[in-house]
Amino acid sequence: NAGVTQTPKFRVLKTGQSMTLLCAQDMNHEYMYWYRQDPGMGLRLIHYSVGEGTTAKGEVPDGYNVSRLKKQNFLLGLESAAPSQTSVYFCASSEQGDTEAFFGQGTRLTVV
Amino acid sequence: AQSVTQLGSHVSVSEGALVLLRCNYSSSVPPYLFWYVQYPNQGLQLLLKYTSAATLVKGINGFEAEFKKSETSFHLTKPSAHMSDAAEYFCAVSRGGSQGNLIFGKGTKLSVKP
Repeated sequence: NAGVTQTPKFRVLKTGQSMTLLCAQDMNHEYMYWYRQDPGMGLRLIHYSVGEGTTAKGEVPDGYNVSRLKKQNFLLGLESAAPSQTSVYFCASSEQGDTEAFFGQGTRLTVV
Repeated sequence: AQSVTQLGSHVSVSEGALVLLRCNYSSSVPPYLFWYVQYPNQGLQLLLKYTSAATLVKGINGFEAEFKKSETSFHLTKPSAHMSDAAEYFCAVSRGGSQGNLIFGKGTKLSVKP
């Protein structure tokens, strides 16, 4: 009964370091999303995917890259972390664009 | 492009009072609209959704929302607030189909006073 699983849950990075956040879903959903949540800003869409092998830019894609090599996984990469990328990152998946999105528990990332 | 505006970043009500959280949307095509709730240190969960069927949508925990095309609104209501309703609420819009960009508003934090 996993749903959407994000790893890691917490991470501290130094400026300039790189990392990859992993999102895995076991519901066979086509759509997957990466959001960042900052106080007073709500959730802002970074990138999304409408199926295996596809990715598209959201509202705030700069500084991030994504890959969807397998249907169940959606990876978010930071090539050179900056303090402005300190945030809580949420992954979500949905069967289609008009169906319920299921969220992971979030990854709290701090860049120092 | 789609967008969502939630009026009021904080709303405070007394227990037993009416809850009204406002959401206005902008969309170039008929939208799909959602309300999600987030409890502290958790992910979001769906309260209810509008997908072009009935304009009055009932959700979980006694919440409901009415789609008003003429006002481009999708306000969330609950007749009687409970302490457990204290959380942050997010309105979201999607174009559906092959356009998977689910866009959220900035959220409204609901406080419930005893």
